[in-house]
Amino acid sequence: GQNIDQPTEMTATEGAIVQINCTYQTSGFNGLFWYQQHAGEAPTFLSYNVLDGLEEKGRFSSFLSRSKGYSYLLLKELQMKDSASYLCAAGSIGNTPLVFGKGTRLSVIA
Amino acid sequence: DVKVTQSSRYLVKRTGEKVFLECVQDMDHENMFWYRQDPGLGLRLIYFSYDVKMKEKGDIPEGYSVSREKKERFSLILESASTNQTSMYLCASSLVGTSTSTDTQYFGPGTRLTVL
Repeated sequence: GQNIDQPTEMTATEGAIVQINCTYQTSGFNGLFWYQQHAGEAPTFLSYNVLDGLEEKGRFSSFLSRSKGYSYLLLKELQMKDSASYLCAAGSIGNTPLVFGKGTRLSVIA
Repeated sequence: DVKVTQSSRYLVKRTGEKVFLECVQDMDHENMFWYRQDPGLGLRLIYFSYDVKMKEKGDIPEGYSVSREKKERFSLILESASTNQTSMYLCASSLVGTSTSTDTQYFGPGTRLTVL
């Protein structure tokens, strides 16, 4: 079967660093995606990992360990505008749809 | 930039009405998807399509149908709307999934449907 797990909610302070974890179980794994979704808006693509290791994009980094079925999204120098839900999604080979987690709602407080 | 548009941002319908939600993408993507999103349940896949006139059931197809007559357009149809179909509906598109980030799905702005 396919299963994605991530925490439901997290709170962090402006200027700090936060790590959002995601564990997955999928057959034919073919990449791990992170999306950001602000309240009332559509998800927007943040990052994609298919090989083990860390991918850095400015304040956001994403890490993947395929042997552990584990990924995390790291947000540095948090800003109030980073308050959003972060969705983890796993891709599978064979042109099958992404499997999404339920999302982690991040609240950034002053 | 990929652009996915949906016909309405907000829609209010009555129980029993037939509802059409339209989605158009301008990037010549083969794949198109319809999801609904509800608090605590996340994104749930209703239907998807890999090509014109092709459709596949997702996780929750009951009460819905779809139509893909042209590559750029994917329609979601609620044959007889019910109150439990009140939700945010999101359309997405992607290139054919291979072993690269072409799996990346791009989402439309969403349609918030209320069924009274």
